[in-house]
Amino acid sequence: AQSVTQPDIHITVSEGASLELRCNYSYGATPYLFWYVQSPGQGLQLLLKYFSGDTLVQGIKGFEAEFKRSQSSFNLRKPSVHWSDAAEYFCAVGANAGKSTFGDGTTLTVKP
Amino acid sequence: EAQVTQNPRYLITVTGKKLTVTCSQNMNHEYMSWYRQDPGLGLRQIYYSMNVEVTDKGDVPEGYKVSRKEKRNFPLILESPSPNQTSLYFCASSPKDRGNYEQYFGPGTRLTVT
Repeated sequence: AQSVTQPDIHITVSEGASLELRCNYSYGATPYLFWYVQSPGQGLQLLLKYFSGDTLVQGIKGFEAEFKRSQSSFNLRKPSVHWSDAAEYFCAVGANAGKSTFGDGTTLTVKP
Repeated sequence: EAQVTQNPRYLITVTGKKLTVTCSQNMNHEYMSWYRQDPGLGLRQIYYSMNVEVTDKGDVPEGYKVSRKEKRNFPLILESPSPNQTSLYFCASSPKDRGNYEQYFGPGTRLTVT
C-alpha cells in the first residue's frame, strides 16, 4: 500500500529565509509525486509534480522539489520565503490509476 | 474558465437525513475523485471514478455513495449522515493523460451533521 509521511506538522520561518518541507513516501515502484498548497479557506493548488526524468523539478511560485529514490523523499524547497507563502502544504503520491494518497500536511507560518 | 464547482459550499443537516453534494467540471476530464479533509488527517480519498459508470473505493468509502452517469458530474451521496461525517469535502478532476495524479480541486463543501 502506498503512504506519505510529512514529519513536520507546523513550521515557522522568517520572511526572506529559506524553506524546506519534508516528505517521505512508501511505494513499491517509481511513484508519481506531487506537492499541493492550500491557502486558508481555499481548495488545493498544484505546486509541482514528478513523473520521471530529472529528479529536481521546478514548480510555480518559485518552489522546487528533489526526488531522492534512495531516501524515499520528495522535499519541497524555496530559497526565499514571502509572507504570501503562508499556507498548508500537502505532499501526495499517485501510483495506481485513480488512487491517490496525501500526507497529513505541513502548516507554514511566515514571520515578518 | 476551467473549473471544478461544488454545491452547496456549506451545509448543516441532521443525522439520518439523506443529502447529495454535487460536483461538476468543465474540462472534459475523465478522472474524478472525492476527498474529505479533517484536522491533522490530511486529505483522505473517499471514492474515485476513471470514467462514466466506472467508480472505485478510496480509503474511506464507508457511509458514502457516488455515481458517474455523465462525464462532467460526480455527485457524492450520504444516505444516512452521521456526526462523524462532519468534515470538509473536496471534489477533484484530472485528465486521463495524467492518470488521476495532476488534480484540479473544487473550492470545498463544509458539512456539519448534528
